[in-house]
Amino acid sequence: GQQLNQSPQSMFIQEGEDVSMNCTSSSIFNTWLWYKQDPGEGPVLLIALYKAGELTSNGRLTAQFGITRKDSFLNISASIPSDVGIYFCAGGIYGQNFVFGPGTRLSVLP
Amino acid sequence: DGGITQSPKYLFRKEGQNVTLSCEQNLNHDAMYWYRQDPGQGLRLIYYSQIVNDFQKGDIAEGYSVSREKKESFPLTVTSAQKNPTAFYLCASSIGQNNQPQHFGDGTRLSIL
Repeated sequence: GQQLNQSPQSMFIQEGEDVSMNCTSSSIFNTWLWYKQDPGEGPVLLIALYKAGELTSNGRLTAQFGITRKDSFLNISASIPSDVGIYFCAGGIYGQNFVFGPGTRLSVLP
Repeated sequence: DGGITQSPKYLFRKEGQNVTLSCEQNLNHDAMYWYRQDPGQGLRLIYYSQIVNDFQKGDIAEGYSVSREKKESFPLTVTSAQKNPTAFYLCASSIGQNNQPQHFGDGTRLSIL
C-alpha cells in the first residue's frame, strides 16, 4: 500500500530557532494535512492543503503542497516550548482513505 | 462545544476478555474512523464508516469489531482474538470521506493485565 516518509524522525532545536520538516511519498496525492500530537492526546489539525504549489500559513506555521504532488513541507518559525510534540502528515486522494506518516518528534530546548 | 469524545481514557483488559471503546461526536459528521497507534509508527486504520448502518474494514481489522447504529456513535470492540491489543486507540470523524480533514478524539490507551 501507499506509504509516507517523514524527515527528520526527530529533532532537537533551541527555542527561537526555525524548524523545517517534510513528508514524501512515491504516490501522488490530492490533499495534504498536517497534524500536531501532544503526549497522551489526539492529533490536532494544523493546516490543510488542496492544490499543488499551495502555500498556507497558520500563525508561525507555514506548509506547502509540493509541485510534484508527492511531497509536502512544514515550517515553524521562532519555535517556543509549546511547539514540542509529534508532527504528522497525511496524504489523501479521492476515493481512498488518508495515509499517515510516522511522524517527526520535535523537542525544544530552552 | 462540538467535538469528539472517547472513553475511557485508560482501559485494562484481561486475557480472553472483550472490551469496548466508546466514541461519540456532535459535529454532525457522516464519516467516522478508528485508528491504532503504536510507538514510533503512523496511524493504522482499523475500521471506518461513511454512513449509519454501514462500515468497512481498514488495514488491520482482524480481532476488532464495530457498529454504527447512530450517526453520533461508533464504538470499537477489541476481541480476545486480537493477540496484541496494547496500543493507543484514536477515533476520528469527517464531514464526508473524500479528502475531508479528519478531526480526532483524545484517545484511549488499552493495556493488558
